[in-house]
Order: sequence, then structure tokens, then C-alpha cells
Amino acid sequence: EAQVTQNPRYLITVTGKKLTVTCSQNMNHEYMSWYRQDPGLGLRQIYYSMNVEVTDKGDVPEGYKVSRKEKRNFPLILESPSPNQTSLYFCASSLFAGVSYNEQFFGPGTRLTVL
Amino acid sequence: TQLLEQSPQFLSIQEGENLTVYCNSSSVFSSLQWYRQEPGEGPVLLVTVVTGGEVKKLKRLTFQFGDARKDSSLHITAAQTGDTGLYLCAGNPNTNAGKSTFGDGTTLTVKP
Repeated sequence: EAQVTQNPRYLITVTGKKLTVTCSQNMNHEYMSWYRQDPGLGLRQIYYSMNVEVTDKGDVPEGYKVSRKEKRNFPLILESPSPNQTSLYFCASSLFAGVSYNEQFFGPGTRLTVL
Repeated sequence: TQLLEQSPQFLSIQEGENLTVYCNSSSVFSSLQWYRQEPGEGPVLLVTVVTGGEVKKLKRLTFQFGDARKDSSLHITAAQTGDTGLYLCAGNPNTNAGKSTFGDGTTLTVKP
């Protein structure tokens, strides 16, 4: 089954404790992206990757890191989480972020709480 | 940041009624996508509109892209309870295919 998977689905952690949220897709998609969703603020793009070893900042990259060492995986790293990073996180992928369009497949989400 | 503004933010209607959701921007987009999201799940793509003036139909849903490619609308005919959810528009700036901007969403509740 074609899908985007994220782990963990739920995570409660404390301020400053490094964490990684994994994202994997099995559709051989070139493009992958991370978003956070907060009430009243919609979906905001954190980082995206057009292909392996190519990453770029979205609208809210502060406090996050990503890597794209292989096509299928795009982990999101929080080196020193803070309470303002409490949010619902989504990973997405698409076949190709061409000039015309970017039809994304989303993972099920990771609900992160930073105490 | 190129903003997409959606209206209304919340919409509560009776089954069988029609409704329209709007997605507006002051910027030109190369394309706009519409997604639907249910509680506890990720957004699911409904449609992409690419050409100015384009109209696409998906059963009872009609999507339109403005002539100037700055706005889009979603019209639902004879809404059903299964249409309940969060509707999001999203776009890619003309100058950067990698960046993706989402509207804040319209929460639709269809009552039986």
C-alpha cells in the first residue's frame, strides 16, 4: 500500500531533550516536506526537500533540523525542544514539485507535547 | 510569505444545503490544491487546478480557479454528513516550486 508513515504518533517530552520524528514514504517520491499544524494558524511549512541531499527552509524552520540522505526517509530533528514546539506535525511527499503543481500525500501526523 | 485567505472559517449547515468556500490571495499561484482533513488524520488531496478560469468537478464538488490565478472556490451541492471536515486550500508560488502555502482552513459541519 502506498503510504507515508510517521513515528512516533504521539510523544510527550521535556524541554531540551533531543528528539527525532521519522518519516518514510514507499512511493519513490522526490519531494518531501514537514509541516506543523496549530489551531488558528493552519498548516505551516517547516522544511522541504526537492531530492536526496537537497533541503531548504520553509516558513517556520527555527528550532528544527532535517536531513535527506536517502530518497524514502526525511527525519525531523528537534535538537533542544521548547514548549512552543508543542504541535501536530505532518510529513508529506509528492512525486515531483514541478513548476505547475505539487500534489502531496500526507502522513497520519505526530502529536508532540513539550513540557 | 504569500498568504492564502480562506472564508468562511467555520460553516455549519443542514444536510441537503449548498455551500461555497473561498480561497483568496493577492499573489499569483502556479496552481492551487484543495485538501480535506478529518480529525486525527492527515489532509487528503481532492483536486488541483492549474489553468486560470479552470473548472473541475468531483461528484457534488465543483472547484474553480480564478482567471488571474489568485483565487479559487469550492462549491458543494446538496451537502451530506460525510462532507463534514476541514477543507484546506494550498498553493505553490510562481517562483518557488518547493514552497507550499496553506490557507487556515474552513471547518464544515453538515448536520443530519
